[in-house]
Amino acid sequence: SQTIHQWPATLVQPVGSPLSLECTVEGTSNPNLYWYRQAAGRGLQLLFYSVGIGQISSEVPQNLSASRPQDRQFILSSKKLLLSDSGFYLCAWGGQSSYNEQFFGPGTRLTVL
Amino acid sequence: QKEVEQNSGPLSVPEGAIASLNCTYSDRGSQSFFWYRQYSGKSPELIMFIYSNGDKEDGRFTAQLNKASQYVSLLIRDSQPSDSATYLCAVISGGFKTIFGAGTRLFVKA
Repeated sequence: SQTIHQWPATLVQPVGSPLSLECTVEGTSNPNLYWYRQAAGRGLQLLFYSVGIGQISSEVPQNLSASRPQDRQFILSSKKLLLSDSGFYLCAWGGQSSYNEQFFGPGTRLTVL
Repeated sequence: QKEVEQNSGPLSVPEGAIASLNCTYSDRGSQSFFWYRQYSGKSPELIMFIYSNGDKEDGRFTAQLNKASQYVSLLIRDSQPSDSATYLCAVISGGFKTIFGAGTRLFVKA
């Protein structure tokens, strides 16, 4: 069966500090991978998605970036965090078909102070 | 701008009643429709998906899709306090991107 891991689970960072969140998927090959952000009491905002190694599509211009160095690894980064980057960051994987549902990791709760 | 709209709620129903959650979407070309449940502080989990017009039943859950009206709903029969959560409607609309609604908060009163 497929599993998806994210770490860290929680993170408190000062404004201007860098960020690196990691997501890995087990039990599937060539998944589509997604990064979402959910602000408190809000819906999911798609940040990046990837259909293959090194292929990243950005949905929202911001100070975040994503990379996919391996088939089942997806990394979200920032060089300098802003207060507005606080939120619940979710990684998800889905199949290559447009009919396939997405499955979410446990999430990382980021607080920028 | 492709959109998915949901009533934010809260929707409050007594234990044992039917909870009805509704969602509309703007893109007529949408192909796949999903309902996720999200408990407070947790990540969303998939509970239902539907691709064709009509009803799809899975245990206490029934998803209903009407593409002509661009409307999808979720019925929860015999609601339990453990069903209290936020329910997210999601739509795949072109390619691999999923658009999520903001969610409806459901409270089931014991």
